[in-house]
Amino acid sequence: DTAVSQTPKYLVTQMGNDKSIKCEQNLGHDTMYWYKQDSKKFLKIMFSYNNKELIINETVPNRFSPKSPDKAHLNLHINSLELGDSAVYFCASSQDPGGWTEAFFGQGTRLTVV
Amino acid sequence: DQQVKQNSPSLSVQEGRISILNCDYTNSMFDYFLWYKKYPAEGPTFLISISSIKDKNEDGRFTVFLNKSAKHLSLHIVPSQPGDSAVYFCAASLKTSYDKVIFGPGTSLSVIP
Repeated sequence: DTAVSQTPKYLVTQMGNDKSIKCEQNLGHDTMYWYKQDSKKFLKIMFSYNNKELIINETVPNRFSPKSPDKAHLNLHINSLELGDSAVYFCASSQDPGGWTEAFFGQGTRLTVV
Repeated sequence: DQQVKQNSPSLSVQEGRISILNCDYTNSMFDYFLWYKKYPAEGPTFLISISSIKDKNEDGRFTVFLNKSAKHLSLHIVPSQPGDSAVYFCAASLKTSYDKVIFGPGTSLSVIP
């Protein structure tokens, strides 16, 4: 039974399209995150939500919009996709709001924009 | 500006020997450090952590050492096993706030049988 699951695992789409990545956690955690791993392999936080409230919003283009319908779900919607959005996106959750205890990551979504 | 650095992109070690992965940080306010392990096509998984009030934390074959004055930590794996071959990320955070966890770029460890 997967703790943090995200779908799809692979996403290939054309420039200009709008796409969504879904994430669900069954750990009962209050905090969920979206991370981006770029071509240089850096893992950088994009957003974090605590109890459905946005608490971290890094310098991310407005085309990226997270949505948390409930504590167990944090979806990422991306409008007008650009080539530079190609990356692996990881969803994660943690018990604490800062991630200073362990965070549990999903398997990642490899987004390729062509 | 990288606040968490892992200057060795890769490391190869013989099975049974010690693996030492290094991490340096610039922000002296960081007070909690974590190591994550990542296999290809999977998400990172938590390995071990250490609070800044400690200088060593051990969990089985994994030990993390923290040198606050040098702003340096290291992960020791003894003995190394082929299944340890993965990318290891060092991460740092501020426990007293909602501040984010900052990850290093990772070190790819290969344990040769």
